[in-house]
Amino acid sequence: DQQVKQNSPSLSVQEGRISILNCDYTNSMFDYFLWYKKYPAEGPTFLISISSIKDKNEDGRFTVFLNKSAKHLSLHIVPSQPGDSAVYFCAASATGSARQLTFGSGTQLTVLP
Amino acid sequence: DAGITQSPRHKVTETGTPVTLRCHQTENHRYMYWYRQDPGHGLRLIHYSYGVKDTDKGEVSDGYSVSRSKTEDFLLTLESATSSQTSVYFCAISENLAGGNTGELFFGEGSRLTVL
Repeated sequence: DQQVKQNSPSLSVQEGRISILNCDYTNSMFDYFLWYKKYPAEGPTFLISISSIKDKNEDGRFTVFLNKSAKHLSLHIVPSQPGDSAVYFCAASATGSARQLTFGSGTQLTVLP
Repeated sequence: DAGITQSPRHKVTETGTPVTLRCHQTENHRYMYWYRQDPGHGLRLIHYSYGVKDTDKGEVSDGYSVSRSKTEDFLLTLESATSSQTSVYFCAISENLAGGNTGELFFGEGSRLTVL
């Protein structure tokens, strides 16, 4: 039973438009959420995070929104660039869990020039 | 970039043979992790360590063992490799942050293992 779900395996958007990647979770103990970006043949790299005490966190072109009541978070990329093409993983952790992250299955984002 | 080195980066082996993957860090971080990445599953935690000689199981630990005799090294061993263990293995590290913030993981570049 996946505790973190990314239901869209792939997403294609036009350069300059907004990309919205979605993530749902089931474990109410999760209180910290992260997005990682992964290029082929490389390890995942941290992109942005949000604590459960917030509902939005912004870093440049990247914004993460958290809806605790719906157990849903989303990553917005505006404007999208071809270099953003990668697999994006949503991850979650609970305080006291030795910093273990539970990952979603990932969404392949393709930004078309 | 965090100083994490995984070796070997690629390995092909046969069913039933033992395999050891090594993760070496130069960051002196307390926590170290082994994940595997498979299509449709994302990254799943195999084992993790919270200090020298302190390890614990993750979500998919069956068939794997780990050891951490030094802060900088975390070894993942497949005692008898099976085809279901064909995967890309990632090591990750995390510093020991005070407070409730769980912080981020820094990942190595991965080790691709093929079991024939």
